Amino acid sequence: YVLTQPPSVSVAPGQTAKITCGGHNIETKSVHWYQQRPGQAPVLVVYDDTNRPSGIPERFSGSNSGNTATLTVSRVQSGDEADYYCQVWDNNIDHVIFGGGTKLTVL
Amino acid sequence: EVRLLESGGGVVKPGGSLRLSCAASTLSFSDYAMSWVRQAPGKGLEWVAAISAGGEGIYYANSVKGRFTISRDNSKNTVYLQVSGLRVEDTAVYYCAKDQEYLDSWGQGTPVTVSS
Repeated sequence: YVLTQPPSVSVAPGQTAKITCGGHNIETKSVHWYQQRPGQAPVLVVYDDTNRPSGIPERFSGSNSGNTATLTVSRVQSGDEADYYCQVWDNNIDHVIFGGGTKLTVL
Repeated sequence: EVRLLESGGGVVKPGGSLRLSCAASTLSFSDYAMSWVRQAPGKGLEWVAAISAGGEGIYYANSVKGRFTISRDNSKNTVYLQVSGLRVEDTAVYYCAKDQEYLDSWGQGTPVTVSS
């Protein structure tokens, strides 16, 4: 199972960034999203398509429909500049699958 | 919040071995599956292996199957990754992470460099 992400997304401060994750019938899977700032470990920001762990701002939201899952970051700040990865559990082969990652640049 | 601390990384020659450890600061360690994920320099995240809470379910990425072994000692709140038959392309930061279907806590990683 392959997850496809755009290599980069750029957005001005205060605007909304949308990061997509494409996969065949991805809507049938639970999609999770991670933020990785430079030099740091990844952090879970959205799980099970739409849920936020405690401590993650409401500005981070997720959706999943058809062949595309989307992470939306509203009112983007300079601190949101990071790499973002989508992930699913492929229960056909019992493997974790990561997308290739998207670098979010705040202009 | 679970804290995870990896150790055991280092520099090793091709064909060599290391044992990576990940200690968890939680009393309920035996309730959780655990995973290892690696990241080569300048590259994305690559899942390596996972082990169920009781240790009976073990899963590996195809790239490491037969060379890496994941295990856990619930009495010590620790998960291990024995990495053997190392190749240059195994050079990466190795992270342990809590759970399996999604990874809600991560350690800071331990670097492994494979070089002659």
